[in-house]
Amino acid sequence: SQTIHQWPATLVQPVGSPLSLECTVEGTSNPNLYWYRQAAGRGLQLLFYSVGIGQISSEVPQNLSASRPQDRQFILSSKKLLLSDSGFYLCAWRPGNTIYFGEGSWLTVV
Amino acid sequence: GDSVTQMEGPVTLSEEAFLTINCTYTATGYPSLFWYVQYPGEGLQLLLKATKADDKGSNKGFEATYRKETTSFHLEKGSVQVSDSAVYFCALSRVNYGGSQGNLIFGKGTKLSVKP
Repeated sequence: SQTIHQWPATLVQPVGSPLSLECTVEGTSNPNLYWYRQAAGRGLQLLFYSVGIGQISSEVPQNLSASRPQDRQFILSSKKLLLSDSGFYLCAWRPGNTIYFGEGSWLTVV
Repeated sequence: GDSVTQMEGPVTLSEEAFLTINCTYTATGYPSLFWYVQYPGEGLQLLLKATKADDKGSNKGFEATYRKETTSFHLEKGSVQVSDSAVYFCALSRVNYGGSQGNLIFGKGTKLSVKP
């Protein structure tokens, strides 16, 4: 069966420090992958999506970047975190016409 | 552009009460419609979906019918339980359009609290 995992689950980072969140999908090949962010009191915002290795599209200009070094791996990064980067980050993938989410990563920038 | 509007929360109900969370959408063409649920501290789980007009999605006692004439996809449950306390998100997906490769457009979420 197909599963999606992301880590770390919780992260507390100081302002100006780097970030790396990792997401992997198992049991499928060449999935569409997505990074969403859910800020406190707000809805979900699509940050990046990828249709294949090395193919990244950004939906919102910001302090973050994404990479897809392998078919089933999707990484969200930042070189210098801002306070406004705090939130709940969700990786997702799409088989067919339905998007499924990972467990999420809570990021607090202090 | 495409959008989803769902009722503002929070919604507080007593156990065994009837639940309705309204959701309406604006979209060109024929999107697929979804309800996701987020339990406290967890990620989003797909609750139910409908891919064409008049389809009814159902799961765990929840139901929603894709109404094209009213562009709505209201979530209902006949008898809620304390364990249903969560945030519910309505969403649409334009799978067959270009751009964001089948991205979901979400409503802002409705927080449901069920009291014993």
